[in-house]
Amino acid sequence: GAVVSQHPSRVICKSGTSVKIECRSLDFQATTMFWYRQFPKKSLMLMATSNEGSKATYEQGVEKDKFLINHASLTLSTLTVTSAHPEDSSFYICSADDTGELFFGEGSRLTVL
Amino acid sequence: GQNIDQPTEMTATEGAIVQINCTYQTSGFNGLFWYQQHAGEAPTFLSYNVLDGLEEKGRFSSFLSRSKGYSYLLLKELQMKDSASYLCALPPRGAGSYQLTFGKGTKLSVIP
Repeated sequence: GAVVSQHPSRVICKSGTSVKIECRSLDFQATTMFWYRQFPKKSLMLMATSNEGSKATYEQGVEKDKFLINHASLTLSTLTVTSAHPEDSSFYICSADDTGELFFGEGSRLTVL
Repeated sequence: GQNIDQPTEMTATEGAIVQINCTYQTSGFNGLFWYQQHAGEAPTFLSYNVLDGLEEKGRFSSFLSRSKGYSYLLLKELQMKDSASYLCALPPRGAGSYQLTFGKGTKLSVIP
């Protein structure tokens, strides 16, 4: 099946700094990628839909100035958590659609100290 | 909107069969997904049902009844590695989009 890769898999940062997470589709082109967030023992929550060449569509309640999404190419979308705070600590997952099937990245665990 | 209901936790014995149920409400059915998620990892795709009936894939089978708004995932010959959360998910109304709505997941514990 198709491969979606996320980097970094784990990141620890200080409060107030910004962190960038990359999501790449390795063997297919994805005009649309999705970013999710998952808290411990909770379901995945869709944060935003990333569209290549245009602005991302954010779900209600997600601050677009805090979670910056850029989808500059057909194989790369990035999520930047700006001015991170401890409450932003979470598991962030991306997914991409390849001809009708959704593939997920490995996830990135963010810990903000 | 869409609503998905699954049991929170289940326990089953190694070698046994377990059925994980999912009921859903949606105004425009466009298929139903099942995903497996091990702790600390991203979900992996298990199945996608659009038509009524049972689809078998090795030890895992998925069943759908659109008229009842009901699906189940059947796991046979359980192995310890099957201990994971199983997520039922719906695509949004309308074709061509895959912004999934996930259920809260069923945490399956397989015991010896």
